Amino acid sequence: AQSVTQLGSHVSVSEGALVLLRCNYSSSVPPYLFWYVQYPNQGLQLLLKYTTGATLVKGINGFEAEFKKSETSFHLTKPSAHMSDAAEYFCAVRGAQKLVFGQGTRLTINP
Amino acid sequence: DTAVSQTPKYLVTQMGNDKSIKCEQNLGHDTMYWYKQDSKKFLKIMFSYNNKELIINETVPNRFSPKSPDKAHLNLHINSLELGDSAVYFCASSQVPSGGSSNQPQHFGDGTRLSIL
Repeated sequence: AQSVTQLGSHVSVSEGALVLLRCNYSSSVPPYLFWYVQYPNQGLQLLLKYTTGATLVKGINGFEAEFKKSETSFHLTKPSAHMSDAAEYFCAVRGAQKLVFGQGTRLTINP
Repeated sequence: DTAVSQTPKYLVTQMGNDKSIKCEQNLGHDTMYWYKQDSKKFLKIMFSYNNKELIINETVPNRFSPKSPDKAHLNLHINSLELGDSAVYFCASSQVPSGGSSNQPQHFGDGTRLSIL
């Protein structure tokens, strides 16, 4: 069965600092991987996805993620954090007729 | 233009009542989903419909009954509400069922915040 593990339920960075949110996956088939963001009182919004091809995937709002098969990882990064990046972030992998979500990482930005 | 819209946005009711949540998508997608998000933000899929047919029915009490009158609508009816039903319920849609050979993402509504008194 497919699964994802997000390391760190809460990450706090200073404004302007590097953002790194970690996601490791387990999949018996070539994975399709997704990152979603949830702003307060809103639904989930797709940040980026990896299916095949280039392993460095660029998304919206300056985020990107790198697929590393050898490490079974799909970590999300942003070079410089903005206050508006404060949100809950979810990693997901394709499962059988559904997406399998991680438990989420809350990102806090300190001024 | 809201792609996936849910009503109501907030629902406060008493234990034992019956309530419904409605969901509509204008994306032309074939597949719709209901998720429950608890207070710790954990997302749990409840149901999925593809072309009005039920394809996913996770371990959910039978007090929860989804209904899809057409591809654009998926409603959720809950009987005999319990305290543990308090959560945020999200509707989502995708062009085809997520997973398998599909790389299609899901599009989410803004959620319905259900509070049981």
